[in-house]
Amino acid sequence: NAGVTQTPKFQVLKTGQSMTLQCAQDMNHNSMYWYRQDPGMGLRLIYYSASEGTTDKGEVPNGYNVSRLNKREFSLRLESAAPSQTSVYFCASSDSGTSGRGGYQETQYFGPGTRLLVL
Amino acid sequence: QKEVEQDPGPLSVPEGAIVSLNCTYSNSAFQYFMWYRQYSRKGPELLMYTYSSGNKEDGRFTAQVDKSSKYISLFIRDSQPSDSATYLCASIYGNNRLAFGKGNQVVVIP
Repeated sequence: NAGVTQTPKFQVLKTGQSMTLQCAQDMNHNSMYWYRQDPGMGLRLIYYSASEGTTDKGEVPNGYNVSRLNKREFSLRLESAAPSQTSVYFCASSDSGTSGRGGYQETQYFGPGTRLLVL
Repeated sequence: QKEVEQDPGPLSVPEGAIVSLNCTYSNSAFQYFMWYRQYSRKGPELLMYTYSSGNKEDGRFTAQVDKSSKYISLFIRDSQPSDSATYLCASIYGNNRLAFGKGNQVVVIP
């Protein structure tokens, strides 16, 4: 089991360029998440997908789009990168039950992260 | 105001000391609380998980939740250099989303 994988590991973009961050999980989890982590700000939720075919905005969705391609894959797209999007991006997945009330089995598992620098 | 507050200050302790980390939360509906550990340049990994109030022990780690004061704590006994990491508290809310604290960087000095 690879768990949650992310590509690329590191990327440098110029302002205005676009790119897609890829995430895949092999744990058959229903839910997937994209976070960004910035110094002094902690982890902030960008978008999440509670199940295949659904996506919802999180805390900081502006400037991003997502696609839940299938149950395994959840991609994050920056259409026109800005320096403010310089961050470390983490994908996570969880096996959320129908209640969504939480439980140990619904713990989120994180990928290794993508470091993005926008010049 | 974030729903989970964690003073993000770094903490340096000598090897063998007890590490004490704290968070507060504002939403009375929170019932499930976690501590994640994040090593440098890695993703967070679940360290401890507790439900409602009380203590939970796992080896050198103890997680404590006091729902009356909305306080979450993590204690690390006999700290080791391998415990040097950032520790993030979190709680689950709607649709299995996590509200995270900002994290505490802990350095255990040999």
